[in-house]
Amino acid sequence: AAGVIQSPRHLIKEKRETATLKCYPIPRHDTVYWYQQGPGQDPQFLISFYEKMQSDKGSIPDRFSAQQFSDYHSELNMSSLELGDSALYFCASSLGPREAKNIQYFGAGTRLSVL
Amino acid sequence: AQKITQTQPGMFVQEKEAVTLDCTYDTSDPSYGLFWYKQPSSGEMIFLIYQGSYDQQNATEGRYSLNFQKARKSANLVISASQLGDSAMYFCAMREGGWSFGNEKLTFGTGTRLTIIP
Repeated sequence: AAGVIQSPRHLIKEKRETATLKCYPIPRHDTVYWYQQGPGQDPQFLISFYEKMQSDKGSIPDRFSAQQFSDYHSELNMSSLELGDSALYFCASSLGPREAKNIQYFGAGTRLSVL
Repeated sequence: AQKITQTQPGMFVQEKEAVTLDCTYDTSDPSYGLFWYKQPSSGEMIFLIYQGSYDQQNATEGRYSLNFQKARKSANLVISASQLGDSAMYFCAMREGGWSFGNEKLTFGTGTRLTIIP
């Protein structure tokens, strides 16, 4: 079965650079979520989109922005990178309101290292 | 207050034994969902099992079952006949409320690292 695809899998950036993370949800999934997992931490919710509109927002820094496109893929843009942004970034997708359980299926993650 | 509490940072279990991973939660919302995810050392987050607050029966998925005790606000994961491939970090997570715009995020516990011993 098709899963959530994230690219790139690994990314190395310097401080103050920008990074773009991409997420391709499971087919028919119209809801996308972004989470950040620091080393040894649990995942923290950043932002979500339903039908291309931002639907929920967590502790996402102002330096980060995201959007969902017409084909439902999503991109997380990160600017002025800081050392503390080094983390594993997950994208998840779900059927949203079309499924009572609304199970979020995660991609393999993008491991961002800021040097 | 922590919304999800996992009190076992690490567990060691003999292969083929059953294992219970503890999870307690805190919410005043009558509608919520509880999830368990597995994170192997490779890093991906794998969905295991779901329990809705209104579900009358405990959820089961193959070797995984969820011991849901609503009055005690606990949702323990039980893995039967453990295998070496079960070695991983396990996270309990909760979504408060039913699905609604702006109410979808999962809140995770700190996880339990399970190691299966041959």
